Amino acid sequence: GAGVSQSPRYKVTKRGQDVTLRCDPISSHATLYWYQQALGQGPEFLTYFNYEAQPDKSGLPSDRFSAERPEGSISTLTIQRTEQRDSAMYRCASSLCPSCEQYFGPGTRLTVT
Amino acid sequence: KNEVEQSPQNLTAQEGEFITINCSYSVGISALHWLQQHPGGGIVSLFMLSSGKKKHGRLIATINIQEKHSSLHITASHPRDSAVYICAVYNTDKLIFGTGTRLQVFP
Repeated sequence: GAGVSQSPRYKVTKRGQDVTLRCDPISSHATLYWYQQALGQGPEFLTYFNYEAQPDKSGLPSDRFSAERPEGSISTLTIQRTEQRDSAMYRCASSLCPSCEQYFGPGTRLTVT
Repeated sequence: KNEVEQSPQNLTAQEGEFITINCSYSVGISALHWLQQHPGGGIVSLFMLSSGKKKHGRLIATINIQEKHSSLHITASHPRDSAVYICAVYNTDKLIFGTGTRLQVFP
């Protein structure tokens, strides 16, 4: 595709509900990253994929967070039993390779009420 | 102490001024990204560099690996340059971000 896309752009959910966020990377890009960005802060690493493999998920804050990229293309980030502290912008980025230049999606603004 | 520090945190300038934003890091890196976050929230990659200097239009980025320091310069600043500028370093295939420098350029 022309760029990285994410959906939904905005999500409001009640505490305790599960949410799934989607990232569609640039089609030629092997590597896909997920970040969490709190208001007024820089993004923080959650996890990344190289094709289908998930070499590093050290940034996932708890076992309520999980990510998949089953066919090495589209990825989903799922947050189970959401809590208010999960409210943030969730950003996806893709790159040709690990440690290559990253291209960012527009983000999903998650609000947990 | 953060692994990636930026200064200043906030910067205001008059149109036409020369701007410098600094980034220092304390970890080993393979490359450094300069990113621009627009008021609307989108993040755009400006530069990725691992040595020396890169120039694109009115933007110049330099890096000194020995001193673990990078600078982003904007020449002839313009109000449309107003944004948050973020330095991020690649450490073991993942980016570590600074907290950003908020730049406002007034006409």
